[in-house]
Amino acid sequence: EPEVTQTPSHQVTQMGQEVILRCVPISNHLYFYWYRQILGQKVEFLVSFYNNEISEKSEIFDDQFSVERPDGSNFTLKIRSTKLEDSAMYFCASSEGTGKETQYFGPGTRLLVL
Amino acid sequence: RKEVEQDPGPFNVPEGATVAFNCTYSNSASQSFFWYRQDCRKEPKLLMSVYSSGNEDGRFTAQLNRASQYISLLIRDSKLSDSATYLCVVNEDYGQNFVFGPGTRLSVLP
Repeated sequence: EPEVTQTPSHQVTQMGQEVILRCVPISNHLYFYWYRQILGQKVEFLVSFYNNEISEKSEIFDDQFSVERPDGSNFTLKIRSTKLEDSAMYFCASSEGTGKETQYFGPGTRLLVL
Repeated sequence: RKEVEQDPGPFNVPEGATVAFNCTYSNSASQSFFWYRQDCRKEPKLLMSVYSSGNEDGRFTAQLNRASQYISLLIRDSKLSDSATYLCVVNEDYGQNFVFGPGTRLSVLP
């Protein structure tokens, strides 16, 4: 069964450093997403991406964040100048069609900012 | 403010029990509704979509009441493996992002 994959599974970084989280969505899916979940809190939407551009973003997704699809398979989330409060689990998801359709989530990257 | 609210939980039930979870959403223009389950420190996994007419998948039954902006999930004959956090998820308007509820934790006890 096709699945979304994410690397790395864990990332530890120093405050102020840049991190890149990587995702490989399901191959025939057209819509890609990033969500985050701070420990003990609910899953929060960050950004959606379609046709090589951002289609929606939340108020969390400020200038510190960027997304890119550098090739035909990878979808990345870059966090510049990380802050302590960026520590969270970051989930990538993909869907075949619009958000009205089921989104499939990757296993997540646990980011710890020290 | 767009919100999805759920029963606070946790629910601790014996094996074989029937348990029901409730969810309300604030945006009347919401279009799609789902129940996901999330095991500890894992990703959300789709349990079932929720259709206007209600739908059933084995031991699981989902209901949607658009007038009351209310979604429910019923689990019959609960198993130990049903222990997880159940997430009510709503897609609002015609946007692409999911809005997640805070989840209700279920523990099924032997």
